[in-house]
Amino acid sequence: GAVVSQHPSRVICKSGTSVKIECRSLDFQATTMFWYRQFPKQSLMLMATSNEGSKATYEQGVEKDKFLINHASLTLSTLTVTSAHPEDSSFYICSAPVDPTYGYTFGSGTRLTVV
Amino acid sequence: AQSVTQLDSQVPVFEEAPVELRCNYSSSVSVYLFWYVQYPNQGLQLLLKYLSGSTLVKGINGFEAEFNKSQTSFHLRKPSVHISDTAEYFCAVLTGTASKLTFGTGTRLQVTL
Repeated sequence: GAVVSQHPSRVICKSGTSVKIECRSLDFQATTMFWYRQFPKQSLMLMATSNEGSKATYEQGVEKDKFLINHASLTLSTLTVTSAHPEDSSFYICSAPVDPTYGYTFGSGTRLTVV
Repeated sequence: AQSVTQLDSQVPVFEEAPVELRCNYSSSVSVYLFWYVQYPNQGLQLLLKYLSGSTLVKGINGFEAEFNKSQTSFHLRKPSVHISDTAEYFCAVLTGTASKLTFGTGTRLQVTL
């Protein structure tokens, strides 16, 4: 089946530093990647949509300068949390649509802790 | 606009008992409906989906769901749960005019002996 590989699974960083999260589609081409944020015991909130070869589309209230998204190729999308602060600590998940019958596949998530 | 409501934030159930997790949606156009399961610190795994055709959909791990258009519901059921079914369950909707999934707030299924 279609797989999205997400790395790292966990990362701890100091306040003020930047962290990059990668999502790779392993056996299909992901022209679109959705990036979600999930707070403890809450649902997934869509942050942005990346499209290969064009600028990402951010949801209302999401700072595009803080959460940099790049969709460099048909198999790689990255989310960089810049100048991270403790309030950015969260679980980040990527997801890509595969095809109408398969639906969407999700990465395994990244637990970001900013200290 | 599309939205999803999962009325039960937590559902405690004993092992081998049946369970139903409720999901209601709102949309003015035709919808695709999904149930996902999330284990701690992991991504989402697709349990089942309704795209069209038969309103009773069978998924993995013995789960099934029934699409009820008149009641705008897509409740998830399992006749006999196992301890390993303890997880967070999310209902999601996708309309034909949008490419983004809209998730419900999730239901925590807690199975105990």
